[in-house]
Amino acid sequence: GAVVSQHPSWVICKSGTSVKIECRSLDFQATTMFWYRQFPKQSLMLMATSNEGSKATYEQGVEKDKFLINHASLTLSTLTVTSAHPEDSSFYICSARDQEAKNIQYFGAGTRLSVL
Amino acid sequence: QKEVEQNSGPLSVPEGAIASLNCTYSDRVSQSFFWYRQYSGKSPELIMSIYSNGDKEDGRFTAQLNKASQYVSLLIRDSQPSDSATYLCAVNRGDKIIFGKGTRLHILP
Repeated sequence: GAVVSQHPSWVICKSGTSVKIECRSLDFQATTMFWYRQFPKQSLMLMATSNEGSKATYEQGVEKDKFLINHASLTLSTLTVTSAHPEDSSFYICSARDQEAKNIQYFGAGTRLSVL
Repeated sequence: QKEVEQNSGPLSVPEGAIASLNCTYSDRVSQSFFWYRQYSGKSPELIMSIYSNGDKEDGRFTAQLNKASQYVSLLIRDSQPSDSATYLCAVNRGDKIIFGKGTRLHILP
């Protein structure tokens, strides 16, 4: 299957700082990427849809000013958690949609964020 | 009704037996169906995709789709302890994929 690279895999930060997570599609172009969050023993929660060259579409209840998404190229989307707080600690996972492969979504390995 | 419904489990299956995972969906116009496997602490991994009614086999895995009944299933033959994971059913809604909450599968050695 296609490869989606997500970096970093683990980050620890102080409360009030910002953290940027990168998601790259390595062997296909992805006009659409998705950002999910998953708390322990809970299901995936879609946060936003990232569209290349345009604004992201956020799900209800997700603060767009807190979770900044940029999709500047066909292979890269970034999620910035601004002014992080301990309640933002979670497992963040990106996925990229391969339009050449019947819109299958491939997932990155995820980023575990711990806010102290 | 939830868009994609799965029994949360856990589903316990003896090693070597067939594990049967089920999923129902609400949107009749959905055309793409997926099964992902997620190990604890890891991200989901695509196992199978299916787009037309009937069965699709890949190794020990068989996906079954019945659009009339809005039902999709995953069979795992000769279950192995390494198959123990959460299995996510996913269905397209337009450009998005909607995930079920997953079924935890536990293969008993």
